[in-house]
Amino acid sequence: EAGVTQFPSHSVIEKGQTVTLRCDPISGHDNLYWYRRVMGKEIKFLLHFVKESKQDESGMPNNRFLAERTGGTYSTLKVQPAELEDSGVYFCASSQVRVSGNTIYFGEGSWLTVV
Amino acid sequence: QKEVEQDPGPLSVPEGAIVSLNCTYSNSAFQYFMWYRQYSRKGPELLMYTYSSGNKEDGRFTAQVDKSSKYISLFIRDSQPSDSATYLCAMSAQGNNRLAFGKGNQVVVIP
Repeated sequence: EAGVTQFPSHSVIEKGQTVTLRCDPISGHDNLYWYRRVMGKEIKFLLHFVKESKQDESGMPNNRFLAERTGGTYSTLKVQPAELEDSGVYFCASSQVRVSGNTIYFGEGSWLTVV
Repeated sequence: QKEVEQDPGPLSVPEGAIVSLNCTYSNSAFQYFMWYRQYSRKGPELLMYTYSSGNKEDGRFTAQVDKSSKYISLFIRDSQPSDSATYLCAMSAQGNNRLAFGKGNQVVVIP
């Protein structure tokens, strides 16, 4: 069974450009999460989808970030326009059931560098 | 005050030594406590999971949770070079899907 897949694995863009990150969760997982880690900080929650609905987006830093999960399958996270402080690694995770951390599987991350 | 504190200092130990890691937290609503292992350029991988207070053992790994002190620990016995990784504590509250992470400890086991 394939794990959580993220694309691209690495991206270097200029300040002001747009980047779209994609996440394919484990098949059958209704819950999809986005987290990110910026330099020197801990991994932080961004948002949570249940199927195609945003369950909790309280961690989204500002309105330059837009997450979608059309059809309840894969998800995209768009950063527009990108700023230098957006550099970091963006993790997607998925789970079959809600709550309890033992069911959450992480992808390898999308490493974003804004120059 | 941060929700989860984990002293991010690196740790180097000789092969066979016991590795001791810990985190403190401030949110008394946390009920689920996890330790993740992360290899370089990889995603976090769940290593240990504990619900509420108590100890849990899995092979060479032992996780302890003391809710009264808001303190969790991970012990790795007979450490191996393959244990070299970053170890992250994480926790969540009942009914809440967010994981709150510590900064992580980079552990290097020297052969």
